[in-house]
This record gives sequence, structure tokens and C-alpha cells, in this order.
Amino acid sequence: EPEVTQTPSHQVTQMGQEVILRCVPISNHLYFYWYRQILGQKVEFLVSFYNNEISEKSEIFDDQFSVERPDGSNFTLKIRSTKLEDSAMYFCASSPEGGGHYNEQFFGPGTRLTVL
Amino acid sequence: AQKVTQAQTEISVVEKEDVTLDCVYETRDTTYYLFWYKQPPSGELVFLIRRNSFDEQNEISGRYSWNFQKSTSSFNFTITASQVVDSAVYFCALKMNRDDKIIFGKGTRLHILP
Repeated sequence: EPEVTQTPSHQVTQMGQEVILRCVPISNHLYFYWYRQILGQKVEFLVSFYNNEISEKSEIFDDQFSVERPDGSNFTLKIRSTKLEDSAMYFCASSPEGGGHYNEQFFGPGTRLTVL
Repeated sequence: AQKVTQAQTEISVVEKEDVTLDCVYETRDTTYYLFWYKQPPSGELVFLIRRNSFDEQNEISGRYSWNFQKSTSSFNFTITASQVVDSAVYFCALKMNRDDKIIFGKGTRLHILP
């Protein structure tokens, strides 16, 4: 069964450094998403991406975040200058289609980011 | 505003007991979807069920059952004859038809004691 994969599973970085979190969505999916979960808290939407542009973003997704689909298979989340409060689990998800009618978002296993 | 409330932060029950996890949602949209996800200690999100706003039928899947009531804006989840492997954090979530994002509740941490 196809699944969303994410690398690395755990990333440790120093405050102020740039990090790139990588995701490989399910191959025939068209919509891609990033969510984050600060330890012990709820899962929060960051951004959705379709047709090589951002479709929707939350207020959390400020200028220090960016997303990219650099090739036909990867979907990345870049944090330009990490802060301590960026420490969280980051989940990638993909769906065959987006809003307008329901399509299940398939979640990856997550990348745990620790900022020191 | 759209919101999901899971009032139970943490629940502990003894194995084989039944347990119900409460979920109340808020939306003014008429077309929306409701979900339950399980997050075991390993951290991944496991999809359990989806319900659309036009389908109020209750659903049973093995030991799991869901009670969707639009009149009270609730989508409760019951585990019958709980097992230790059911120990996890359970999230209720809401998605409007017009939006991309899924809105999660804060989760209920369920401990099943042997």
C-alpha cells in the first residue's frame, strides 16, 4: 500500500540554523500539506500546496517558512532561521485532490525537529 | 469560527472496560467532515474514521463505534472491551468542504491499565 514517507525521522539543529524537512508524497497525489505538533499539544495546519503554489496557509506559516516541490517526487519544508519554539513534530500529508469535496489526507510518520 | 473541543484531557480505565471519548465541534458550514485519529506512543497519526455532515449514521468497526449527532454537534468515539494496545492519544478533527486544512482538537490521552 502506498504511503507518505518523511526524512529524517529526527533532526537536531542549533538555533538560527536553516533546516529542510523532506517528504515524498504518494505518487499520484496532487495536494500536499505540512502540519506541526508541539510536544503534548494538538496538531496544527501550516500550509497546503497545489500546482506548484501555496493554496492555503495558517498564521503560523510566516516568512521564515517556505515550501517547495523541487522535483516530481519530493515536497520540502524549509525553516530559514530556526527558533527554540520551532521544536515540534512535523507531519507531511498528501491527498488525491483538495478542497471542494472530501479527499482523505494521508499522513507521513513525522519528523521530530529539536532546536537547541 | 471553526473549533473542535475534546474536554477530556486524560482518561484511565482498566482493561476490558468500555470507554467513550467525547468530541464537540463548532462550524457554521453545512458541508464538513469529521475524523478521528489515533496517535500511539511512536508518534504517527493513524486514521480511524471519516464522517461527512450529511451522514449521521452511527458506525461500528470491531470494538470501535462512533456516534455522530448534528443536533448536539458531537462526534463521540467508544471503545468496547478496551485493550492495553488501545493506549494512545486520540484526536478528533474537523474539515470544512471549502478549506484544505484539517482542524484538530487537543486530544484525549487514553491509558488502558492491565
